Amino acid sequence: DIQMTQSPASLSASLGETVTIECRASEDIYNGLAWYQQKPGKSPQLLIYNANSLHTGVPSRFSGSGSGTQYSLKINSLQSEDVASYFCQQYYDYPWTFGGGTKLELK
Amino acid sequence: QVQLKESGPGLVQPSQTLSLTCTVSGFSLTSNSVHWVRQPPGKGLEWMGGIWGDGSTDYNSALKSRLSISRDTSKSQVFLKMNSLQTDDTAIYFCTRLGPDWYFDFWGPGTMVTVSS
Repeated sequence: DIQMTQSPASLSASLGETVTIECRASEDIYNGLAWYQQKPGKSPQLLIYNANSLHTGVPSRFSGSGSGTQYSLKINSLQSEDVASYFCQQYYDYPWTFGGGTKLELK
Repeated sequence: QVQLKESGPGLVQPSQTLSLTCTVSGFSLTSNSVHWVRQPPGKGLEWMGGIWGDGSTDYNSALKSRLSISRDTSKSQVFLKMNSLQTDDTAIYFCTRLGPDWYFDFWGPGTMVTVSS
């Protein structure tokens, strides 16, 4: 199975700050990567697919980048509504696997 | 608009079988794939398996021996059955639609399942 390692596990940032979350795959996943946002008590919501494509309706302050085994999610100008957990997921190979998550809080 | 909603028992006894239903609207099951993902309380996400538009299925090898996914296209419903439940199967169970490139583009709200006697 492809292991997805996310860092950091938790993050505290101020409003207006830029935040970056990293995801490392145990092997090349050829940009088969998605990022999801999950608010407390809610289901995950798709943010980014194919490593760098913004899902419909997602604010442009979210962006994804990376290739090979290293990927990142960047949030520009952090807003209060961005407080959530974030998960990466690879869909290059079965079984599809998720990172352990990053919990983002406001400082 | 695309919607999915899970339903099922909130409590299952150890060693029993879990049966969940995902009712969808806004898209056709014959041209879309629906999958199940679960999340133990306070933990990460695990892909369980899914059913494709042609009715074929794929399962996570870790669960394959206990898991069955089926559908009723006339009712726009997808079913999950998992046997031999244990306490570590306690989780929120989500159904989710697969997007064009195999990411999950829409999710149901989830249903909490507790395995306990």
